[in-house]
Amino acid sequence: DSGVTQTPKHLITATGQRVTLRCSPRSGDLSVYWYQQSLDQGLQFLIQYYNGEERAKGNILERFSAQQFPDLHSELNLSSLELGDSALYFCASSLEEGELFFGEGSRLTVL
Amino acid sequence: SQQGEEDPQALSIQEGENATMNCSYKTSINNLQWYRQNSGRGLVHLILIRSNEREKHSGRLRVTLDTSKKSSSLLITASRAADTASYFCATDAKDTGFQKLVFGTGTRLLVSP
Repeated sequence: DSGVTQTPKHLITATGQRVTLRCSPRSGDLSVYWYQQSLDQGLQFLIQYYNGEERAKGNILERFSAQQFPDLHSELNLSSLELGDSALYFCASSLEEGELFFGEGSRLTVL
Repeated sequence: SQQGEEDPQALSIQEGENATMNCSYKTSINNLQWYRQNSGRGLVHLILIRSNEREKHSGRLRVTLDTSKKSSSLLITASRAADTASYFCATDAKDTGFQKLVFGTGTRLLVSP
């Protein structure tokens, strides 16, 4: 158990819909990272937050947004969903530099 | 886009054999990390090597880093069926000022009993 909790574990929705994925980082970790893993794109870095502030952006679509709340949990919002958004979405946390601790992921299926 | 590219994409060996995976990257880095992922599960950190280190060991794992060639290798000795997983390298590029890990494409390792 990494200490990072992601909900929901599985999500099935339709094209055009909006979903929210939630992440609770390890106790004490200030950084939260979001990654998308799909068969054709591999593991793609989406966005990173540090103590409530956005720190780095990767290949995150404009239809996607995220935030980190004062209690350090984070949410990833995916809107106007397309079939190609079907993927595993991982959250990871870290204290500072070094090892990332990953959650078990949220598997999104868009039909 | 990926910073790192692992080679080979897939590797199949017998228990007891050694497994070597390679990672090449494009830019100067602060550190390079290796992670393991069992099918459909979250990634688990294996080892971190800093840019000023050349080799690091952890149990049956040995990692080397050659910054002049922008490459790293992960050696798993005396492999076990339980080592079956995908292995990813992740690089922390030097120009960001803070950690931003970008993962490679991964090597799928199958260890047969």
